[in-house]
Amino acid sequence: EAQVTQNPRYLITVTGKKLTVTCSQNMNHEYMSWYRQDPGLGLRQIYYSMNVEVTDKGDVPEGYKVSRKEKRNFPLILESPSPNQTSLYFCASSPRTRRGGYTFGSGTRLTVV
Amino acid sequence: GQQVMQIPQYQHVQEGEDFTTYCNSSTTLSNIQWYKQRPGGHPVFLIQLVKSGEVKKQKRLTFQFGEAKKNSSLHITATQTTDVGTYFCAGHSFGNEKLTFGTGTRLTIIP
Repeated sequence: EAQVTQNPRYLITVTGKKLTVTCSQNMNHEYMSWYRQDPGLGLRQIYYSMNVEVTDKGDVPEGYKVSRKEKRNFPLILESPSPNQTSLYFCASSPRTRRGGYTFGSGTRLTVV
Repeated sequence: GQQVMQIPQYQHVQEGEDFTTYCNSSTTLSNIQWYKQRPGGHPVFLIQLVKSGEVKKQKRLTFQFGEAKKNSSLHITATQTTDVGTYFCAGHSFGNEKLTFGTGTRLTIIP
């Protein structure tokens, strides 16, 4: 089944403790992206990647890192999480920029206390 | 930077009534996409429009892309309880690889 898999689905952590949210897609998509969703603010792009080793900042990149060493994986790293990073995170992929709709993962609900 | 606004933010309709959400971009778009997110779920791609003035239909859903490629609308005819969710538009500006999402319209249906 074609899908984007995120892990974990739920995570509660403490301020300052480094964490990684994994994202993997099995559709051979070039384009991958991370979004965060907050009430009243919609979906805001954190980082995106157009292909292996090619990443760029979205609209809210502060406090996040990403890497794209393989085509299928695009992990999101929070080096020192803070409470304002409590949010619902989505990973998404598409076959090519602008030519295909995004397939989203099921989301990761992160709480930083 | 590019901003995409949607109105209304919330809409409550009686089952069987029509529903429309409007999307407005601060910049000209090369394309517009629409997504639906059910409560507790993730966004699901519905459709993409590319041409100025384009109109596409999916059963009871009608999507339009404005002539100036800065606005779009989604119209649902005779809503059903399965239409419940939040509808997002999203678009790319010319020369920009980022896909910017609108703020979303949350639709609830009164049976």
